[in-house]
Amino acid sequence: AQSVTQLDSQVPVFEEAPVELRCNYSSSVSVYLFWYVQYPNQGLQLLLKYLSGSTLVKGINGFEAEFNKSQTSFHLRKPSVHISDTAEYFCAVSGPAPEGYSTLTFGKGTMLLVSP
Amino acid sequence: GAVVSQHPSRVICKSGTSVKIECRSLDFQATTMFWYRQFPKQSLMLMATSNEGSKATYEQGVEKDKFLINHASLTLSTLTVTSAHPEDSSFYICSAQKGNSPLHFGNGTRLTVT
Repeated sequence: AQSVTQLDSQVPVFEEAPVELRCNYSSSVSVYLFWYVQYPNQGLQLLLKYLSGSTLVKGINGFEAEFNKSQTSFHLRKPSVHISDTAEYFCAVSGPAPEGYSTLTFGKGTMLLVSP
Repeated sequence: GAVVSQHPSRVICKSGTSVKIECRSLDFQATTMFWYRQFPKQSLMLMATSNEGSKATYEQGVEKDKFLINHASLTLSTLTVTSAHPEDSSFYICSAQKGNSPLHFGNGTRLTVT
């Protein structure tokens, strides 16, 4: 079984400030890791994913995340946020290959609130 | 990029009626579609997985007779909430996948049962 923990339900920041959204996972096997963004009343959009290789993953909209196997973490970062980054962010883990993307388990989400 | 269209985006129905939600993959053939339910300020909970031409696989605790899923073609899956009750009010999201490629999500359907 696998699980995802997003410790912060809400993260308020000022525009142009850096931000880190935390994500920890637990799994007894290798996993794929994802970050999704959800704008109000919309579906999910993939920000970035870690499958293998470099532990620093760059995604869309200036976001990046670092996979840390020893700490079982996959924190999301952005050096300078914009008002438009205000949204709900979900960390997710998928089952081991070859299931690949199918068995996604989501964290409870972190609401990023960017104010001027 | 791949697009998944979900319709309707919002629906209000009376208790006891049935509601159908459509999920279409517009520019690819989706061998697998997933249906999720999201409660306010909570995460997505997988309800069921459907493969084209076969019966859907429901997650534990999801009533298959209440949430009917049909995946009749490689581009269309439907979720029908039968005899809806106020506790079924929620945000329903579908996602579609071709083979083992990344998931693409629809924009969700806000269901309100009065």
